[in-house]
Amino acid sequence: DAGVIQSPRHEVTEMGQEVTLRCKPISGHNSLFWYRQTMMRGLELLIYFNNNVPIDDSGMPEDRFSAKMPNASFSTLKIQPSEPRDSAVYFCASGRIRGDEQFFGPGTRLTVL
Amino acid sequence: AQSVTQLGSHVSVSEGALVLLRCNYSSSVPPYLFWYVQYPNQGLQLLLKYTTGATLVKGINGFEAEFKKSETSFHLTKPSAHMSDAAEYFCAANFGNEKLTFGTGTRLTIIP
Repeated sequence: DAGVIQSPRHEVTEMGQEVTLRCKPISGHNSLFWYRQTMMRGLELLIYFNNNVPIDDSGMPEDRFSAKMPNASFSTLKIQPSEPRDSAVYFCASGRIRGDEQFFGPGTRLTVL
Repeated sequence: AQSVTQLGSHVSVSEGALVLLRCNYSSSVPPYLFWYVQYPNQGLQLLLKYTTGATLVKGINGFEAEFKKSETSFHLTKPSAHMSDAAEYFCAANFGNEKLTFGTGTRLTIIP
């Protein structure tokens, strides 16, 4: 299995621009999670889906953030408009069974200038 | 509130020495417990997990952890540190839903 795939691996953009991060979970996994990691705040759960349905988006920082999962093999996290404080590493993870381990992707390093 | 606490944001050990990274959880019901490792510029990788059964769990790269219900702990150990063990380590717990609650992480430095 190829593992969780994220693209792009690096993104540099200017303040105000729209940013879209993409994730392909491991085939057969029912849950998908988006995390953000920064030095100041550590690892934060932004949103997670179960069977393509958003279950908990309480970690989404602002309305500028949105996430979708149109099918079992694809999810996006969009930031519009982006701000410098959004600079972070964004991870996608997927899981197979409720309560079991999550498998993390390599992350997307976002820099907003 | 349910939480995970990692004591020590930075730990340094000499190469060949014992590695001990501490993790405690707060919950009335024992959760599923996990240790992840993150190498620089990489995602998190599962080291080991405890769900049910044997309380001493062995993982990859020679690491092991023991679940102690009476102490609400799940400390990670390795008998002999190697330079390649330098990384950040995260303890996590599942308290009965799909989410993992992560500790704040411990950065492990190995002294040659």
